[in-house]
Amino acid sequence: DAGVIQSPRHEVTEMGQEVTLRCKPISGHNSLFWYRQTMMRGLELLIYFNNNVPIDDSGMPEDRFSAKMPNASFSTLKIQPSEPRDSAVYFCASGLAGATGELFFGEGSRLTVL
Amino acid sequence: KQEVTQIPAALSVPEGENLVLNCSFTDSAIYNLQWFRQDPGKGLTSLLLIQSSQREQTSGRLNASLDKSSGRSTLYIAASQPGDSATYLCAVYTGGFKTIFGAGTRLFVKA
Repeated sequence: DAGVIQSPRHEVTEMGQEVTLRCKPISGHNSLFWYRQTMMRGLELLIYFNNNVPIDDSGMPEDRFSAKMPNASFSTLKIQPSEPRDSAVYFCASGLAGATGELFFGEGSRLTVL
Repeated sequence: KQEVTQIPAALSVPEGENLVLNCSFTDSAIYNLQWFRQDPGKGLTSLLLIQSSQREQTSGRLNASLDKSSGRSTLYIAASQPGDSATYLCAVYTGGFKTIFGAGTRLFVKA
């Protein structure tokens, strides 16, 4: 059984460019989470979806960040325009809402904005 | 507001030692607590999940305990090995899709 799949694993871009990160959750999971990890702030929850519907996006830092989940097997996190302070590792996680609450993480997308 | 604290922030031990990592949380109203391992440049791997009604969970050399009333959990690693070197994070699930993470404990096991 494949785990949570994220792409790209690494992204280097210049300030002002648009960045799109992708996530495929574990089949059958109905909750999806986007986290950001930095040395300074640790793991921060950006947004989560339940049954493809955004439930809480209060963790999204600015309007430059947006996330979509068009279907149960795909989600994107977009940053437009990107800034150097967005440099971080972005993780996607999935789980079964209403069950154990156990989370399963992808390998992350390391973003560097120059 | 739920806060999760992990102590120590970093730990270095010689190979073969038994060790304990600590996690504390401020609100005892949790559904479960999960321990993760993170290797450098990698994602988080789930190690153990303890439901709120449970006191402990074991997997191989790992044993995690939960004392909800005091807001504490420990991860016990027996006979540590260099391969155990990683960052260990605990996270509490408070319901409503909210999982709160601690900052982690960086463990280094010297050969």
